[in-house]
Amino acid sequence: DGGITQSPKYLFRKEGQNVTLSCEQNLNHDAMYWYRQDPGQGLRLIYYSQIVNDFQKGDIAEGYSVSREKKESFPLTVTSAQKNPTAFYLCASSIGQRTYEQYFGPGTRLTVT
Amino acid sequence: GENVEQHPSTLSVQEGDSAVIKCTYSDSASNYFPWYKQELGKRPQLIIDIRSNVGEKKDQRIAVTLNKTAKHFSLHITETQPEDSAVYFCASRDNYGQNFVFGPGTRLSVLP
Repeated sequence: DGGITQSPKYLFRKEGQNVTLSCEQNLNHDAMYWYRQDPGQGLRLIYYSQIVNDFQKGDIAEGYSVSREKKESFPLTVTSAQKNPTAFYLCASSIGQRTYEQYFGPGTRLTVT
Repeated sequence: GENVEQHPSTLSVQEGDSAVIKCTYSDSASNYFPWYKQELGKRPQLIIDIRSNVGEKKDQRIAVTLNKTAKHFSLHITETQPEDSAVYFCASRDNYGQNFVFGPGTRLSVLP
């Protein structure tokens, strides 16, 4: 089902705790992305990575951090500094950043109370 | 930076009718325009896309048209079916940022 997985599907955390969302792909894609989706809004880019050990901030990076130690993995940490962390988080990948199609993972719904 | 607007935000049609969703973009350098379909709680899936050197593209009941001069592109779904009910997102990508900017989405409901 697209070769890109995210876990867990649902995640619940208390306010003030950091939480890490997993994203793994077996498509041999160089580029990976993290998006946030809120009700009634489009996808907003948090971070992206074109290649291992390199990543750049997207439009809404504040309160988030990422790492790209392996080509297959691009975990996202939602820190306690993120003011409104409750959202649906989508990971995506593409062959390269200069290629066209992005493949999305199934998403993680994070709820922080 | 690029700004993508999408209209309408919600659309209800009777089964068998056509549906049209329109997006406008601001950056004349944008050169790739995909449309994604997202069912409730599921991942977005690419349904059709168009590149700036083409004016129209069709795939069975789905078509996309692009007007580069006016900087807008539209999704056309003919003979709608209940399974077409979903949220549809348009996006654009420019040559500089190489990242996508998404519209806010249109919730399409096809009534049986």
